[in-house]
Amino acid sequence: QSVLTQPPSASGTPGQRVTISCSGSSSNIESNTVHWYQQLPGTAPKLLIYSNNQRPSGVPDRFSGSKSGTSASLAISGLHSEDEADYYCLTWDGSLNGLVFGGGTRLTVL
Amino acid sequence: EVQLVESGGGLVQPGGSLRLSCAASGLTFNNYWMHWVRQAPGKGLEWVANINQDGSEKYYVDSVKGRFTISRDNAKNSLYLQMDSLRAEDSAFYYCARAIGAATSIWGQGTLVTVSS
Repeated sequence: QSVLTQPPSASGTPGQRVTISCSGSSSNIESNTVHWYQQLPGTAPKLLIYSNNQRPSGVPDRFSGSKSGTSASLAISGLHSEDEADYYCLTWDGSLNGLVFGGGTRLTVL
Repeated sequence: EVQLVESGGGLVQPGGSLRLSCAASGLTFNNYWMHWVRQAPGKGLEWVANINQDGSEKYYVDSVKGRFTISRDNAKNSLYLQMDSLRAEDSAFYYCARAIGAATSIWGQGTLVTVSS
């Protein structure tokens, strides 16, 4: 059971906008930056968003991140079939003195 | 080619030890925090440990404290994870990663550790 709570699944149709939430607490999300990873089947995770809302080079601007209080969100607009993957949030937890991942959200493109 | 390559995984009996290695090539190694992250088959990601640039700071997830030791050799561009007193629940793919929360993040492809009798 992770200290960061994500919905286990999400879905959308091509072209739609979907949002994945990540809920935490004052010791993690509220006081630290949040990062988001995408993991395609059988591959290593790939950084999508860092420092709450920054995109690494090469990540399409369809992907965006935000943070408010003890929660963070990843939004994907103009959904593509290749966006079907697992998505994880990540942040530092000051109480645990370590990094923590959310439990992951499996996105299905219908 | 820019890459991190893990090695050292395999089958080990409960209570045994393994030493994982991560070799960096084509990228700057000694300027970054390095991490080990694991993923049990079909499960989510779990951060295991990290180490700062000169090895003076190390952090571990509670479940491996006292059993795992992270270290690095900047002269060899290598990261290590010494795993002792292994348990069945340590079975997972182990990934090494550079700068896990920055634009310069790079991950290896992982090495599988199986703890079983």
